[in-house]
Order: sequence, then C-alpha cells, then structure tokens
Amino acid sequence: DTGVSQDPRHKITKRGQNVTFRCDPISEHNRLYWYRQTLGQGPEFLTYFQNEAQLEKSRLLSDRFSAERPKGSFSTLEIQRTEQGDSAMYLCASTLPPAGELFFGEGSRLTVL
Amino acid sequence: GDSVTQMEGPVTLSEEAFLTINCTYTATGYPSLFWYVQYPGEGLQLLLKATKADDKGSNKGFEATYRKETTSFHLEKGSVQVSDSAVYFCALSVSGGSNYKLTFGKGTLLTVNP
Repeated sequence: DTGVSQDPRHKITKRGQNVTFRCDPISEHNRLYWYRQTLGQGPEFLTYFQNEAQLEKSRLLSDRFSAERPKGSFSTLEIQRTEQGDSAMYLCASTLPPAGELFFGEGSRLTVL
Repeated sequence: GDSVTQMEGPVTLSEEAFLTINCTYTATGYPSLFWYVQYPGEGLQLLLKATKADDKGSNKGFEATYRKETTSFHLEKGSVQVSDSAVYFCALSVSGGSNYKLTFGKGTLLTVNP
C-alpha cells in the first residue's frame, strides 16, 4: 500500500500524559498537512509542511502541540500534557503541487481519559 | 474568513433514490471546490472537484456544478446505491494562495437502505 499511513490508529491516554502520532506521506509528496476532526465536525486545519519547513500553523495549535518533519519525509505530531478536549481524530494528508488534491490517511484517534 | 456550510444530516434514502446534498461557501478569494467522501473505517477520499465557475465535477455517478452566482456546489446523484453510504464533506481551497489548505464543512452522513 503506497498511501498515507498513520500510527497509532488509536491511542488512549490519561490526562496530563504526552502522546505522539506519526504520519508517513506518499513518498514523492513534498507537502504534508495535519488536521483535527471532532465528532460531528469537519476536519480543521492544524499545520502544514513543505519538505521539512513548517510553513503555517493554525491558532488551534496551542503551545502544547508541536509538529516536526525533520527529513522532509515522515512527520510527528506531539501533544504534551493532554487534556480531555484534545480527544479527537488527528488526520494527516499529503500532496505534490500543483495537483492540489490532498490524500488523507485513515487517522489517529486520541481518547483522553 | 473562508467557510463552508452544508446541509445537516443524517440523510436516509432507499436504493435508487435521487440524492442532493447542498453546499454553500464564503471565500475571500476565488476558491476551488471539492467533495470528499469518508466510508466507514476509511480515510477521506476525493470524490470530485471543480476549479472555476460553471465547471462540473463528476465521478462514480456523482456530479456537482460550481455556481459562483449562488456560491454553491451541491452534490447530486441520480440513483444511489447501498455502497454510497458514507459521510460526505464539502470543502474549498482558495486559489491565489499556494498552501492548498482545505476548509471543510461539517459533513453529511448518508445512509442508503436496500
């Protein structure tokens, strides 16, 4: 399978713990995006990278959130000191401009108890 | 700011019924418009898109026409199948910017019964 892959698919954690999600984009795609989706809502943009550079961050991305893409390939999204409000599906997508279409992974579901 | 409003769900239809899911948008620039679909247990997939006014996107029997005068991009299918049961998201991306960032609607759950 050469699509976008995300790991883990589901993470259950206690409030206050740190969690990290990984995204492996389609190999030739230089753009990578993170979105958050809560129940009954559409995905909301968090941040995106072109190669290893983080070019935009949403105001939704508080100081407890950090994303990296150190070698311009896979990316990680870390949430520190998790809160119950962080419970959501975290989606990763990639693309190769100028195609424009975003290819999404299946998501990583976070449950904070 | 940019936003997408789509009809509230859930929508329940019988097989072979006609489907319309309404979508309207507000954009500061000149957007490209998309419909994404999310089947149970799967990631979002692009269903169709249109990049300029009066363009019609089509795929798998679904169609949507970019109407600039009414700022709409309604999704239609003449005869739905059980396999079309999914959540449908309308989205836009503002042209002129290079970030290809998508703004999504809340999604509409479609259930098709045999």
